Amino acid sequence: EPEVTQTPSHQVTQMGQEVILRCVPISNHLYFYWYRQILGQKVEFLVSFYNNEISEKSEIFDDQFSVERPDGSNFTLKIRSTKLEDSAMYFCASSDQAMNTEAFFGQGTRLTVV
Amino acid sequence: DAKTTQPPSMDCAEGRAANLPCNHSTISGNEYVYWYRQIHSQGPQYIIHGLKNNETNEMASLIITEDRKSSTLILPHATLRDTAVYYCIVRRRYGSGNTGKLIFGQGTTLQVKP
Repeated sequence: EPEVTQTPSHQVTQMGQEVILRCVPISNHLYFYWYRQILGQKVEFLVSFYNNEISEKSEIFDDQFSVERPDGSNFTLKIRSTKLEDSAMYFCASSDQAMNTEAFFGQGTRLTVV
Repeated sequence: DAKTTQPPSMDCAEGRAANLPCNHSTISGNEYVYWYRQIHSQGPQYIIHGLKNNETNEMASLIITEDRKSSTLILPHATLRDTAVYYCIVRRRYGSGNTGKLIFGQGTTLQVKP
């Protein structure tokens, strides 16, 4: 069964450093998403991406965040200057249609900012 | 997107049916009901979705009331592996200001007991 793959599974970084979280969506999917989940809290939407541009972003997704689909297969989330409060699980998701079909989620990257 | 209300927690005996309720009294005609679950901080997993008719797949059944103000997810024979947080999410059709994002609430923590 096709799946969304995220790397690394766990990343530890120093406050102020840049991190790039990587995702390989399912190959024929066209819609891509990032979500995060702070420990013990609910899953929060960050950004949706379609046709090589952001289609929607949440208030969390400020100027420190960016997304890119650099090579037609990877989908990355960059945090420019990490803060302690960026520590969370980050989930990538993809779907083949935004309309009425399910999103498939990766297993997440646990980001720890120290 | 309409808000949903779910009980924070439920227990179910292994082998019995688990019936998880969800209220979405402000749902509008172009909004679908989706169910996802999250097993112990893994990525959310799609279960089922529907508009107004009852739906069944290999994982579960979805019963939507005639007025569409509430629904019930049924896991017919719960196993220990079904212990998870279950999320009921209402989402508009793509193109109605919806980019495919999912808004997660707190969900229902289902504990399946031996």
